[in-house]
Amino acid sequence: EVQLVESGGGLVQPGRSLRLSCAASGFTFDDYAMHWVRQAPGKGLEWVSGISWNSGSTGYADSVKGRFTISRDNAKNSLYLQMNSLRAEDTALYYCAKGGSWNYSTFCDYWGQGTLVTVSS
Amino acid sequence: AIRMTQSPSSLSASTGDRVTITCRASQGISSYLAWYQQKPGKAPKLLIYAASTLQSGVPSRFSGSGSGTDFTLTISCLQSEDFATYYCQQYYSYPPYSFGQGTKLEIK
Repeated sequence: EVQLVESGGGLVQPGRSLRLSCAASGFTFDDYAMHWVRQAPGKGLEWVSGISWNSGSTGYADSVKGRFTISRDNAKNSLYLQMNSLRAEDTALYYCAKGGSWNYSTFCDYWGQGTLVTVSS
Repeated sequence: AIRMTQSPSSLSASTGDRVTITCRASQGISSYLAWYQQKPGKAPKLLIYAASTLQSGVPSRFSGSGSGTDFTLTISCLQSEDFATYYCQQYYSYPPYSFGQGTKLEIK
């Protein structure tokens, strides 16, 4: 059974940093791309970032480019999102999602339950 | 960036009804389209990918069609558990892999 468990969310002041983690199990982690998708309270889904199976390719939404960095550790079956210079508009539930193939230009076939990030002073 | 527009934004229907949700891309995306279902307080669930391929375990009353810029999700005979919000997402070529704004399907 595929399991994705996010952690690292919390309350943070504007301008500060936060690092999200996602622990994956139930599939061969290094065979698949991974994504971060967020959902602001009461709003729709926003794709944030994706990474290919071997970290060779990454992509970002324009709203986070230059501030967020996605990475993965295949030895630890873990995905990360380093979030710097956080803004109030980054407040959201952040989902970790498994890609449908090795390339991050793909859909999300399994999702975690999310970790909440609140940016407020 | 490619913009995805869903219609309608909300829809009221009864169990047993056939419903169709439309998703339009601002430029051609071939068949690189997925549909997701999200229930309140839950993570999204993949229903369909490659515009028309049903994800394993998804009931056959769900179907998808389209290519290029125009796509549809059809639920042939609504069940009580189908009342949820539905999103389309394009994953064509380059990021960002944008979602539609969502369609909330409610009980009439």
